[in-house]
Amino acid sequence: EDQVTQSPEALRLQEGESSSLNCSYTVSGLRGLFWYRQDPGKGPEFLFTLYSAGEEKEKERLKATLTKKESFLHITAPKPEDSATYLCAGPTAGGTSYGKLTFGQGTILTVHP
Amino acid sequence: DTGVSQDPRHKITKRGQNVTFRCDPISEHNRLYWYRQTLGQGPEFLTYFQNEAQLEKSRLLSDRFSAERPKGSFSTLEIQRTEQGDSAMYLCASSRQLLLPRATETQYFGPGTRLLVL
Repeated sequence: EDQVTQSPEALRLQEGESSSLNCSYTVSGLRGLFWYRQDPGKGPEFLFTLYSAGEEKEKERLKATLTKKESFLHITAPKPEDSATYLCAGPTAGGTSYGKLTFGQGTILTVHP
Repeated sequence: DTGVSQDPRHKITKRGQNVTFRCDPISEHNRLYWYRQTLGQGPEFLTYFQNEAQLEKSRLLSDRFSAERPKGSFSTLEIQRTEQGDSAMYLCASSRQLLLPRATETQYFGPGTRLLVL
């Protein structure tokens, strides 16, 4: 069964303290790995899509990387406004397409000033 | 470019009542998805449409749930005879189908409808 697992469940950082979030998956024939940010009470906000092992994408203080079995979201010098839940997801087969996403449970990031 | 919109944003109902939610996707997106999210969990897939055709439904979608997408534009999700276990955030997402054979397109989410069943 396709699974997406994120670690840690929660992460507390001091402002400026860099760290990484992990997303491991057991989706056969991966056709994309997606990262989202979700603020409390809101819908997920798209961050990155990665398609190939070795691929990297950056946006401000965030950088996402992909290997054959896992993805990392690196946060460099975080600020309090980076506090949110970070979700990763992989498309899984169903019916005649790979349209649906299977999400991990998320990592709750808290950045203290 | 307006994003995905959902209405209402919040809904409180009594057990046994019917509720209906609406989703308006990003224009020109031919795929539309419904997910459900409970506290502390990631979103769970419910169903999706390509244009007006409903292509897949999750086992989570009991016969009390029905979704439609008339004319391939907006979509509605109806829950009949609501139960307390239906309390959750209902998320809608849309995407434009890619022509690449081994790639899945990015899904963009709306703000969600939070349902509370008393």
